[in-house]
Amino acid sequence: AQTVTQSQPEMSVQEAETVTLSCTYDTSESNYYLFWYKQPPSRQMILVIRQEAYKQQNATENRFSVNFQKAAKSFSLKISDSQLGDTAMYFCAFIRSQGNLIFGKGTKLSVKP
Amino acid sequence: DSGVTQTPKHLITATGQRVTLRCSPRSGDLSVYWYQQSLDQGLQFLIQYYNGEERAKGNILERFSAQQFPDLHSELNLSSLELGDSALYFCASSLGQTRSGANVLTFGAGSRLTVL
Repeated sequence: AQTVTQSQPEMSVQEAETVTLSCTYDTSESNYYLFWYKQPPSRQMILVIRQEAYKQQNATENRFSVNFQKAAKSFSLKISDSQLGDTAMYFCAFIRSQGNLIFGKGTKLSVKP
Repeated sequence: DSGVTQTPKHLITATGQRVTLRCSPRSGDLSVYWYQQSLDQGLQFLIQYYNGEERAKGNILERFSAQQFPDLHSELNLSSLELGDSALYFCASSLGQTRSGANVLTFGAGSRLTVL
């Protein structure tokens, strides 16, 4: 079975600092894709970043980057220069062969001024 | 605006009733996915359609059913509602149906269902 685990239910960070959210997953497949989605208080699900498993280079999108460790099945999200607007739930997700996403339970991130 | 339209935004109903949630996918997308998010929970995958056909089923109750119409919009029907069905129901759409980094799911704003 494919599962996604986010071990940090809640985290907080000071504005302008860096924070890392953890995610581990379990799969027997060799080629797959991983995503981080953000859900702000508005409840809208917003794609933050995606990583292709066959690519060794870690994905980066502006202040967001990932640390993808394929052997360890780890996919952490680093947010640099945290902003108040980064306050949200963050969900790690794994895409299945049919195309649907399996989500972790999420990490609630609070950015403090 | 993500391009995925869900109606209604909010719905309050009583136990035992039946409701229908509607989703219009982003223009050009052929796949539609339904997810349920209960209070303080992650997103649970319910069901997926591709170009009118069911492609994958998740934790969808027998009281729930869905379909995708020829114009690609989809409806999720929830019947014999229970208090525990209160949740935010998301629809998402994507271009294809395969496991691909290009097959990015775009989510609608959700329909919040409250069962009293």
